[in-house]
Amino acid sequence: TQLLEQSPQFLSIQEGENLTVYCNSSSVVSSLQWYRQEPGEGPVLLVTVVTGGEVKKLKRLTFQFGDARKDSSLHITAAQPGDTGLYLCPPNAGNNRKLIWGLGTSLAVNP
Amino acid sequence: SAVISQKPSRDICQRGTSLTIQCQVDSQVTMMFWYRQQPGQSLTLIATANQGSEATYESGFVIDKFPISRPNLTFSTLTVSNMSPEDSSIYLCSVGRQGETQYFGPGTRLLVL
Repeated sequence: TQLLEQSPQFLSIQEGENLTVYCNSSSVVSSLQWYRQEPGEGPVLLVTVVTGGEVKKLKRLTFQFGDARKDSSLHITAAQPGDTGLYLCPPNAGNNRKLIWGLGTSLAVNP
Repeated sequence: SAVISQKPSRDICQRGTSLTIQCQVDSQVTMMFWYRQQPGQSLTLIATANQGSEATYESGFVIDKFPISRPNLTFSTLTVSNMSPEDSSIYLCSVGRQGETQYFGPGTRLLVL
């Protein structure tokens, strides 16, 4: 059974700080998605990482996919209150298997 | 990506009653999914809604409790039947491919008293 671990589970920081959250799979994955879910909303897709070692940037968000294709990280520079939300990173299971969802990282950015 | 809407956005219901949640997509999609997200928990897949056939339910979910309709390629409903407080949750519909990128609706926040 493939396991997905996200850390930290909770993070509360001040506006302007930098942070990194991590996503680790017990098995190699073909690709992985990052979602942000704001309170009271559904998850919104941020990015999909596909190639081992890949780095993708989305404004102040930097996503990295590990060379071994088992881990990924999200780094946020100069966090803003609008970054507040639950960050989820389900890996693509492929072969018609369902997505695996962890508990996510709940981020609160305080003004 | 598809634009997905859900109705109602939230509701407060009495135990023993049923609630039907609607999911509308702005384009035709093959696969639609229904998830539950209980407080402090991750997303749990309830079922895959198939057009023209019965929904495919995940382990722990049954049709009598969560009947699903999929009359066409842009619409689906999920009914939460004979509700109890344990059914209080966010219910989400999504579209995409099984095991791959999915796009989510805004969710329906349900509170059962």
